[in-house]
Amino acid sequence: SAVISQKPSRDICQRGTSLTIQCQVDSQVTMMFWYRQQPGQSLTLIATANQGSEATYESGFVIDKFPISRPNLTFSTLTVSNMSPEDSSIYLCSAPDGHGYTFGSGTRLTVV
Amino acid sequence: GEDVEQSLFLSVREGDSSVINCTYTDSSSTYLYWYKQEPGAGLQLLTYIFSNMDMKQDQRLTVLLNKKDKHLSLRIADTQTGDSAIYFCADLDTGRRALTFGSGTRLQVQP
Repeated sequence: SAVISQKPSRDICQRGTSLTIQCQVDSQVTMMFWYRQQPGQSLTLIATANQGSEATYESGFVIDKFPISRPNLTFSTLTVSNMSPEDSSIYLCSAPDGHGYTFGSGTRLTVV
Repeated sequence: GEDVEQSLFLSVREGDSSVINCTYTDSSSTYLYWYKQEPGAGLQLLTYIFSNMDMKQDQRLTVLLNKKDKHLSLRIADTQTGDSAIYFCADLDTGRRALTFGSGTRLQVQP
């Protein structure tokens, strides 16, 4: 099954700064997904990242706040921009893997 | 939009069976999934079921799907303390090809 390496695993950031999260998949995948898991909550889809096209954002998420790159079929980044304490969450990337979906280990972000 | 709902908490004794329930609203769901999340860890795919099946068994795990009632359950036989975690059901949105997750059920296994 596919393996996704996600980094950083955690970070503490100052408000107003930006953090870029990276995900590397060990196989080529057409689609990658970015989710947010707020404290004690479920996972919410932020956007879908396709190689060669702009990411598709879900309602409530905008490109200026969460720019995404997808330079090739094995890699994607999510940037959390101009952070505020409300952005403190776990961010996870995901990719299809057979009939299932594999997830990265997550990035635990704390904004102070 | 789609909605997936779960009960928030379940407590069982070690050795008992656990049953975690989930309901969903998307009548066009093709695949439904169960994921496990341990503290500080990512999501681990436990099992999935295709919508034309009504049961799937995998070792200690049994998934039951009632498509008419849009009800999904996960039964864990002989529950162990290592099964303590949050369990998420998820529904594949065939349009977006992304998963819609339930709120998660925290399973606590008492020795």
